[in-house]
Order: sequence, then structure tokens, then C-alpha cells
Amino acid sequence: EDQVTQSPEALRLQEGESSSLNCSYTVSGLRGLFWYRQDPGKGPEFLFTLYSAGEEKEKERLKATLTKKESFLHITAPKPEDSATYLCAVQAAGYSTLTFGKGTMLLVSP
Amino acid sequence: DGGITQSPKYLFRKEGQNVTLSCEQNLNHDAMYWYRQDPGQGLRLIYYSQIVNDFQKGDIAEGYSVSREKKESFPLTVTSAQKNPTAFYLCASSALAGVNEQYFGPGTRLTVT
Repeated sequence: EDQVTQSPEALRLQEGESSSLNCSYTVSGLRGLFWYRQDPGKGPEFLFTLYSAGEEKEKERLKATLTKKESFLHITAPKPEDSATYLCAVQAAGYSTLTFGKGTMLLVSP
Repeated sequence: DGGITQSPKYLFRKEGQNVTLSCEQNLNHDAMYWYRQDPGQGLRLIYYSQIVNDFQKGDIAEGYSVSREKKESFPLTVTSAQKNPTAFYLCASSALAGVNEQYFGPGTRLTVT
């Protein structure tokens, strides 16, 4: 059974204080790993897809990296508008559905 | 604008009543999905459909039903058999070509009392 574990459950940062969110996964053949951002009361917003170990993708202050067992979402010099819940999901080879983690709730204080 | 719409945003029902949640997409995506989100839990898959007139149960299908009569539409009915229907419901779609990037609608919050 595919499993996705995100840590920490919640993270509080000061504006400008860089940090990383972790997504550990167990899957029988990774087809893709996905990061989403979700604001309270809204649907998740797609951020990145990572396909293979060693891959990195960047968008503004966010950088996602992937190894064979985990992915990190690095947040550089965060701003209060980066406050949200960040979700990680995996797709196993041969399957069309995704398995989601429970998310990390990030709060960035000014 | 291409996207996914869900209506209504908030829905209130009495216990014992069936209720249907709407999901429409104009992204020309083949696949559509319904998820349920509860506080402290990840997204849980209810049903999904990869083609018109066909759908599959997800992890928590009991008490729910769906139909896929048109490519653009995938309504979800929450029946009276669903024991704990109060939740945030999310619809998603994907192109289904290889890696399955899913795009989500804004969600419907259902409260049953």
C-alpha cells in the first residue's frame, strides 16, 4: 500500500526565516510526486511535479527536490503570503490515482 | 478561463436527505475525481472516472454515488446511507496522459444536521 507522510504537521516561521518541509513516501514504483498549496476553505493549487530522484524545480521562493525516499519543499525567505497548508501526493506506476499526505500547515509571521 | 467549478460553495441539509454536489470542468480533461477532506486527515478518494459512462470506487465510496454522462460533468450524490457526511468535498480533473497532474475546484462545504 502506498504511503505518504509529511512532517512537521505545523511550522511557524518568522518572515525571512528559511526552512524545509518533508514528504516521505513508500510506493511501488514512482510515476510522479506532486506538491500542492491549499489556502483555508479553498481547493489545492498545483505547484510542482517531480518525476525522478535528483530532480529539482523552483517557483519564486519555493524549491522542490526529490530523492528515492523523500521530497523536500524548501522555502527561502518566506513572506506572510506563503502561509498555507502544503500537500504532497504520489502516483504509483500503473495507477492513475494519487495518494496524499496529511499536509504541513505553514504560518509565516511578519 | 479554463477551470473547474463546484457549486454551491456551502450546502446545508437535514439528516436523512440525499444531496447532489455539482462539478463541471472546461479543461477537456478525460478524468475526474471526488475527494473528501476532514480536519487532520489527508484527501481521501471517493470515486473517479476516466471516461464517460464509466467510474470506479475509491477508498471511501460507501454512502456515495456518481454519474458521468458528459465529459465535462461529474456530479456526486451524498446519500442518507453515508454515516458522517459533514465534510469539505473537492472535485479534481486530469488529462490522464501519463503522469497524473490533478487540478482542483474550489470545493463545497457540506453540513448535515
